[in-house]
Amino acid sequence: QKEVEQNSGPLSVPEGAIASLNCTYSDRVSQSFFWYRQYSGKSPELIMSIYSNGDKEDGRFTAQLNKASQYVSLLIRDSQPSDSATYLCAVKTGGYQKVTFGIGTKLQVIP
Amino acid sequence: GAVVSQHPSWVICKSGTSVKIECRSLDFQATTMFWYRQFPKQSLMLMATSNEGSKATYEQGVEKDKFLINHASLTLSTLTVTSAHPEDSSFYICSARTGTNSVNDNSPLHFGNGTRLTVT
Repeated sequence: QKEVEQNSGPLSVPEGAIASLNCTYSDRVSQSFFWYRQYSGKSPELIMSIYSNGDKEDGRFTAQLNKASQYVSLLIRDSQPSDSATYLCAVKTGGYQKVTFGIGTKLQVIP
Repeated sequence: GAVVSQHPSWVICKSGTSVKIECRSLDFQATTMFWYRQFPKQSLMLMATSNEGSKATYEQGVEKDKFLINHASLTLSTLTVTSAHPEDSSFYICSARTGTNSVNDNSPLHFGNGTRLTVT
């Protein structure tokens, strides 16, 4: 079982719609969860961090965490073509420095 | 804040030669840096954890004698790919945290711009 699982996509949404990206993780003691955006040929850039169950909103982005279900998601409201990228879910387990990444979900926002 | 600079951004080298990649934290001190590698259409895979003033910790399957890591100061870590071969062609990315880097430090990683290595 992979430590961090994501659907590789592509996920296609029309411009202005809500994009929903999902991620599951295997280690129950994971404490820190991150979403990164990676444009083709570029390095990842941090979008959001989330540490507690529930929702965390930042502009058009909302991260959702459910530790009981070992599930974290990212919602992008009013999707724009510039949001087209690969979104990486990353998980850090307490007691370790290592951060594990999922394969990423490729998002395509259609104008 | 939290700027990580990586150099070079791309390099082409011949098989058998060595390549050095530098990673600098510009506005913070990084006692620990992390080196990742990403092959096309694959996820970031941690290669090694670089600790200032001590030996790096390598992930399983990563050859420490091939991927030499030096972290001589709080702002600089280097990765040297020795005797590079075409299968080493990949996207190498360094990262660091602004936090304490203790095992309970949950601050996010900040990434350099990456180095595209092509070995011919």
